[in-house]
Amino acid sequence: NAGVTQTPKFQVLKTGQSMTLQCAQDMNHEYMSWYRQDPGMGLRLIHYSVGAGITDQGEVPNGYNVSRSTTEDFPLRLLSAAPSQTSVYFCASSYSGGGNTEAFFGQGTRLTVV
Amino acid sequence: GDSVTQMEGPVTLSEEAFLTINCTYTATGYPSLFWYVQYPGEGLQLLLKATKADDKGSNKGFEATYRKETTSFHLEKGSVQVSDSAVYFCALTTRRKAAGNKLTFGGGTRVLVKP
Repeated sequence: NAGVTQTPKFQVLKTGQSMTLQCAQDMNHEYMSWYRQDPGMGLRLIHYSVGAGITDQGEVPNGYNVSRSTTEDFPLRLLSAAPSQTSVYFCASSYSGGGNTEAFFGQGTRLTVV
Repeated sequence: GDSVTQMEGPVTLSEEAFLTINCTYTATGYPSLFWYVQYPGEGLQLLLKATKADDKGSNKGFEATYRKETTSFHLEKGSVQVSDSAVYFCALTTRRKAAGNKLTFGGGTRVLVKP
């Protein structure tokens, strides 16, 4: 019953470092997304994918890269970390189904950039 | 673009009180509407949803009705418990396949229920 698994749960980076946040789902969902959660702003979409090999930008894509080589995995790369990227990051997955389907979320990665 | 506005918190209630959290939206077409809940230290989980006008979503004593005429989806519960303390997010998604079920969220409302 793994669902959506994110690693790591916590991370501290120095400004300018790069890292990859991992996300894996075992439900064979077509759609996967990355959001960041900041106080008072809800969750904002960073990047999303509608299937392996297909990705697109969301509302706040700058400073992040994604790729989707398999259905199961959707890693998020921070190219050169900045303090503005301090946030909690959530990965989500869902079936297609014309907007009617539930999104399943991972437990989040809390990232601090110093 | 699409947007969701929900009342700011925190909302502090006593156990067995009535809870309502207002949510209004702006969207093109006919979105699906959701309430997600986030318990402390956890990810979000779906609380309820409604996919067309006048639909009522319900779960765990919570209810919300999709009101197209007022573009609203207010969340209500008649008698809250301490275990309902959480952050509640109103959200919408469009029906276009290319949109990938991406969600537009409100800012979240923290609810604290005291014994």
